[in-house]
Amino acid sequence: DAGVIQSPRHEVTEMGQEVTLRCKPISGHNSLFWYRQTMMRGLELLIYFNNNVPIDDSGMPEDRFSAKMPNASFSTLKIQPSEPRDSAVYFCASSLLSEQFFGPGTRLTVL
Amino acid sequence: EDKVVQSPLSLVVHEGDTVTLNCSYEVTNFRSLLWYKQEKKAPTFLFMLTSSGIEKKSGRLSSILDKKELFSILNITATQTGDSAIYLCAVEDRGTYKYIFGTGTRLKVLA
Repeated sequence: DAGVIQSPRHEVTEMGQEVTLRCKPISGHNSLFWYRQTMMRGLELLIYFNNNVPIDDSGMPEDRFSAKMPNASFSTLKIQPSEPRDSAVYFCASSLLSEQFFGPGTRLTVL
Repeated sequence: EDKVVQSPLSLVVHEGDTVTLNCSYEVTNFRSLLWYKQEKKAPTFLFMLTSSGIEKKSGRLSSILDKKELFSILNITATQTGDSAIYLCAVEDRGTYKYIFGTGTRLKVLA
């Protein structure tokens, strides 16, 4: 299994632009999580899905952030419009029975 | 509010030393506790603990859980420079499937 796949691996964009991060969870996993990591705040849970349904999005910072999981093998996290303070590493993780596996992350820089 | 607290925040040791990392938690519906190692990329899974008093071991790393006192420790013996990383502790909530992460312990092992 290729593990959790994320794309892109790095993105540099200008303030105001739309950013879309993509995630393919491990096949058969039924939970998917989006995290954001910064030096200042550590690892923060943004939103997670169980069986493609959003369970808790209380970690999503603002309305500029949205996430979808149209099917069991794909999820997106969108930021529109992006701001410099959104610069961070965004991780996607999936799990089946407690053991959670992380993707390689997307390093986002908003200028 | 559910929380996971790790200590110390950072640690610098010499090769060959033994270290103990601490993780305490207050989570309403505990399901499991997980330890991760994060070097420059994504967190990688180390251990999952669900039962008190049973030590999990992998090479020079070992971990144990105390569900009565609500903490876990991660031990690393005969440390090597390759052990330098951030070690993250997370607790899974049985009711919500959510993982609550601590801020991590940054370990640096000097040659």
